Amino acid sequence: DGGITQSPKYLFRKEGQNVTLSCEQNLNHDAMYWYRQDPGQGLRLIYYSQIVNDFQKGDIAEGYSVSREKKESFPLTVTSAQKNPTAFYLCASSMARGGSETQYFGPGTRLLVL
Amino acid sequence: QQQVKQSPQSLIVQKGGISIINCAYENTAFDYFPWYQQFPGKGPALLIAIRPDVSEKKEGRFTISFNKSAKQFSLHIMDSQPGDSATYFCAASSGNTGKLIFGQGTTLQVKP
Repeated sequence: DGGITQSPKYLFRKEGQNVTLSCEQNLNHDAMYWYRQDPGQGLRLIYYSQIVNDFQKGDIAEGYSVSREKKESFPLTVTSAQKNPTAFYLCASSMARGGSETQYFGPGTRLLVL
Repeated sequence: QQQVKQSPQSLIVQKGGISIINCAYENTAFDYFPWYQQFPGKGPALLIAIRPDVSEKKEGRFTISFNKSAKQFSLHIMDSQPGDSATYFCAASSGNTGKLIFGQGTTLQVKP
């Protein structure tokens, strides 16, 4: 099956702790994205990557970090600097670099703070 | 100028009725306008998309109407069914960035 997988489905973070959310795709897509979704709000872009070893900040990058060492993988780290991390995190990918192409979403990870 | 404004925030429709969700944008560089459907606890899935060279696109019960001069586009769901109950997001992007700008979402409830 082709698609995007995110793990874990639920993640709990303690105060001062960094946590990493996994995103893997086997669609051979060049571009990958991370979004944050809060209740009653649209999706807000955290980071995106159009090619391996390159990524750009989105609209709400503060307190987050990413890496893109492999085409298939785009992990997101929520650092202790992110003071309000509780949200639903969505990873997406698209075929083209810099084009208006369809983005395909993973099932999401819900992050909760203990 | 990067915003996409979506309305209404919530919508209740009787089974068999027409659901209409509207979006407006400012950036005339936008050239791709998708609609996504999201069920609770799931990731959004592409429903239908349009480019500004056409004024309407229909796929089954779902139709996008696009008004380039007014910078508005809307989703029409004909013969709405309880299974259509979900949150719908409009979005827009321009070719030079590939970034999608999402509207705030509309929660649709279709009553049996």
